[in-house]
Amino acid sequence: DADVTQTPRNRITKTGKRIMLECSQTKGHDRMYWYRQDPGLGLRLIYYSFDVKDINKGEISDGYSVSRQAQAKFSLSLESAIPNQTALYFCATSESRQGLIGTDTQYFGPGTRLTVL
Amino acid sequence: QKEVEQDPGPLSVPEGAIVSLNCTYSNSAFQYFMWYRQYSRKGPELLMYTYSSGNKEDGRFTAQVDKSSKYISLFIRDSQPSDSATYLCAFNTNAGKSTFGDGTTLTVKP
Repeated sequence: DADVTQTPRNRITKTGKRIMLECSQTKGHDRMYWYRQDPGLGLRLIYYSFDVKDINKGEISDGYSVSRQAQAKFSLSLESAIPNQTALYFCATSESRQGLIGTDTQYFGPGTRLTVL
Repeated sequence: QKEVEQDPGPLSVPEGAIVSLNCTYSNSAFQYFMWYRQYSRKGPELLMYTYSSGNKEDGRFTAQVDKSSKYISLFIRDSQPSDSATYLCAFNTNAGKSTFGDGTTLTVKP
């Protein structure tokens, strides 16, 4: 079984609809992240959470919200979807090597392809 | 100015070629340097990790870091069709978040 799972894998929706993307992990990591990937723009951080009570905005958080329901679950919501939110969305987890902050390497889920019409 | 600039590609090489993938960065706080590989329709996965200047080798892959020039490279020797993917450089500060390059798409032709 995959360590980081995302649901749904594909979603087509209409402008103005509320959408939730879900992420679950079995790696036991405290840190979780949401990214979007657009052609030519690489991976951009939307939100991140270093533990259940810690939520932080990334570089492109406008139009998005998140919920960290448990250590293993981190959901991303689009309150009112718009076409320029059409993208590939990735959830990731990380841990610090030997407990050293900054040495994190990230483990990505398979992605959710979202299309907003 | 972006903190990370990655050679945009795409790059197409014949099987067996040596491939060089490159990134420059401007943030002196970056202390940890990584390369991720992303196959089509998959999430990125860690390929190489280093934190010091110099070379680190793992099989056909060599990661090179030059902190003084703020430049990192990934070399692939004897490239194979299975190496065809998008390669992303990534950088961490001591705060723990990663900053990614935009990716270089590599195609290795048999």
